[in-house]
Amino acid sequence: QVLLQESGPGLVKPSGTLSLTCSVSDDSIRNYYWSWIRQPPGKGLEWIGCIYYSGITKYNPSLKSRVTISVDTSKNQFSLRLTSVTAADTAVYYCARREESFDIWGLGTMVTVSS
Amino acid sequence: QPVVTQPPSASGTPGQRVTISCSGTSSNIGSRHVDWYQQVPGTAPKLLIYGNSQRPSGVPDRFSGSKSGTSASLAISGLQSEDEAVYYCATWENSLNGPVFGGGTKLTVL
Repeated sequence: QVLLQESGPGLVKPSGTLSLTCSVSDDSIRNYYWSWIRQPPGKGLEWIGCIYYSGITKYNPSLKSRVTISVDTSKNQFSLRLTSVTAADTAVYYCARREESFDIWGLGTMVTVSS
Repeated sequence: QPVVTQPPSASGTPGQRVTISCSGTSSNIGSRHVDWYQQVPGTAPKLLIYGNSQRPSGVPDRFSGSKSGTSASLAISGLQSEDEAVYYCATWENSLNGPVFGGGTKLTVL
């Protein structure tokens, strides 16, 4: 069973850049779409965007101007970069594998935007 | 405001059958399949139902999904205390060209 693990700073200053990495436990990164999803405290799930190993990306239009998702197949990793963050970006950030559904999720990592 | 809507809460007693609804439009549920996720507090969501009614390996057959028109439902029979969780429906939104989640339904086992 493939495992996903998010990593990155848990605290980001307002107007700064949030950067997270998701490590995939095997080389299946070449076979699926890989997504970032977030969940503000006490709220629901929001899809941020996804990437295919070839570099093809799709982003949620509500975040598109601030989001970049990239992939490094040599390291079996994909990454999220979110710029100009505000308190509204405080959330648990999950990485997930998507085929027709999100079938495998990471444990999630809490990111707080605060000075 | 989510483009697919769920009731915020549902409840049942052990052994009972409960259903959770998910309502959308022709640009999402009406033309796409629906998935369901279970999120126990403090943990990551877990895929419960995919492709409207298919169960991943390891999901008990107490859980079942269905879709009709622009709505979908998750049914849980033989309710157990461990089923207490938040349940999210998800589908593809054509206008977004991406997946969308319902707002979630918190299930309480009384």
